[in-house]
Amino acid sequence: DVKVTQSSRYLVKRTGEKVFLECVQDMDHENMFWYRQDPGLGLRLIYFSYDVKMKEKGDIPEGYSVSREKKERFSLILESASTNQTSMYLCASTTLGSSYNSPLHFGNGTRLTVT
Amino acid sequence: QQQVKQSPQSLIVQKGGISIINCAYENTAFDYFPWYQQFPGKGPALLIAIRPDVSEKKEGRFTISFNKSAKQFSLHIMDSQPGDSATYFCAATQMNSGYSTLTFGKGTMLLVSP
Repeated sequence: DVKVTQSSRYLVKRTGEKVFLECVQDMDHENMFWYRQDPGLGLRLIYFSYDVKMKEKGDIPEGYSVSREKKERFSLILESASTNQTSMYLCASTTLGSSYNSPLHFGNGTRLTVT
Repeated sequence: QQQVKQSPQSLIVQKGGISIINCAYENTAFDYFPWYQQFPGKGPALLIAIRPDVSEKKEGRFTISFNKSAKQFSLHIMDSQPGDSATYFCAATQMNSGYSTLTFGKGTMLLVSP
């Protein structure tokens, strides 16, 4: 079974802090994604990566950056956390080419609260 | 980003009943329509998916109905059980562009009462 592990289940940070959310997958997947989940807004793509050291902006990249130094690890960085970034963050991965038989595999999420 | 509109936002169904969640899309280039199921405290997981060359796909108690001309698709859960209580997301994308363009609906919280 594919396992996508997010390092923290809950995080509480102060406004202005630099925040790192870590994600590791164990299936040698090329593609990794960061989503944000908010009630009534569904899942929105922040950033994704198709390869090591490669990154692409999703739909809501403002205020975020990412790092992918190793294939299995994809980090989401909040350069200066703000209260409107309080949310559930979900990491996902899938194989190269994204075929019909290769779904997105999600981690269990990190619930971030910025005070 | 093209939208996928999902309704209802929440749904309460009695045990044994049929749960129906509807989605509509705009982009006729979409060629893959998955449904994801999310239990509290967990990440979403693929439940069932359909391609537009078929009108229906059934897996156990879960069925996707697809109406290409109306640009609508729906999830039917037959004989709904309390264990089906979860949030359901429909989604759509063009597979040749990969999951980077996967657009999710806003989700439906389903509660199946005992």
